[in-house]
Amino acid sequence: QSLLTQPPSASGTPGQRVTISCSGRKSNIGGNTVNWYQLLPGTAPRLLIKSDTQRPSGVPDRFSGSKSGTSASLDISGLQSEDEAEYYCAAWDDSLDAYVFGPGTKVAV
Amino acid sequence: QVQLQESGPGRVKPSETLSLRCTVSGTSVDNSNYFWGWIRQAPGKGLEWIGSVRYIVRREYNPSLKSRVTVSADTSTNQFSLELSSVTAADTAVYYCARSVCSENRYYCYMDVWGKGTTVTVS
Repeated sequence: QSLLTQPPSASGTPGQRVTISCSGRKSNIGGNTVNWYQLLPGTAPRLLIKSDTQRPSGVPDRFSGSKSGTSASLDISGLQSEDEAEYYCAAWDDSLDAYVFGPGTKVAV
Repeated sequence: QVQLQESGPGRVKPSETLSLRCTVSGTSVDNSNYFWGWIRQAPGKGLEWIGSVRYIVRREYNPSLKSRVTVSADTSTNQFSLELSSVTAADTAVYYCARSVCSENRYYCYMDVWGKGTTVTVS
C-alpha cells in the first residue's frame, strides 16, 4: 500500500484542464518536495515537475505543480492527445528512509 | 547529453539472482553530485524505487528489498549495476535505471534522466 494517494484515473477533452491530486503525510510531502513523472508506453519515464513547482527544461508550461501542507497537485492545462499517459507523484519519505511513488493516475484524452 | 541504457538477461529462473547493468554516457558515475539508481514497474502496478549508489560507496535501498539488493558502480566501465537475489515471480517487471539529484537531507530528490527500461521475467 502506497504512502502517497492518487486517483486511479482522470480524463478530459482536448483543450480542457485536468488536475491530479497527490496526498501524503508529514514524513514525505509535508517535509520534502514533490516531483511528478510521466510514463508513456515504450518510452523512458519523464520528469515533469521537480521540487513542487519547477519545470525542467523542455517541459511545456501547460504542466504546473503546486503543494499545500501534505497534498500536492499536477495541473495540465490545454490538454492534448499526447498527454494521454500515466502520471506519478513522488517524494522522499523520512520515516521509511526511502523514495516513494504514488500509485499513479492514468489520464485519458 | 546524458544517456542511460539498461542491459541484462530478459529471463531469470526463480531463486536465482537477477543482474542488470546501466551504461552511462555524457557524464561519469563517480560524479559526487548524483545518485545512480534503479526503479521497477511490475505488470499492472506502479513504480517502485529499488535503491541507489552515490560516489561509488554510499548506497541506499528500499527497506522492503534491502535484504536482497545490491547496487554498485564501476568507474572503469562507467556503469552501475543491480543485483537482486532469490527472485520470485513477483520480481517480474520493467526495470529502469535513472540518475537522481538529491540534497544531503533529501529535502529535494528527483530523477532527471532515465533509461528506456528493460523487461525481466522470472520463470
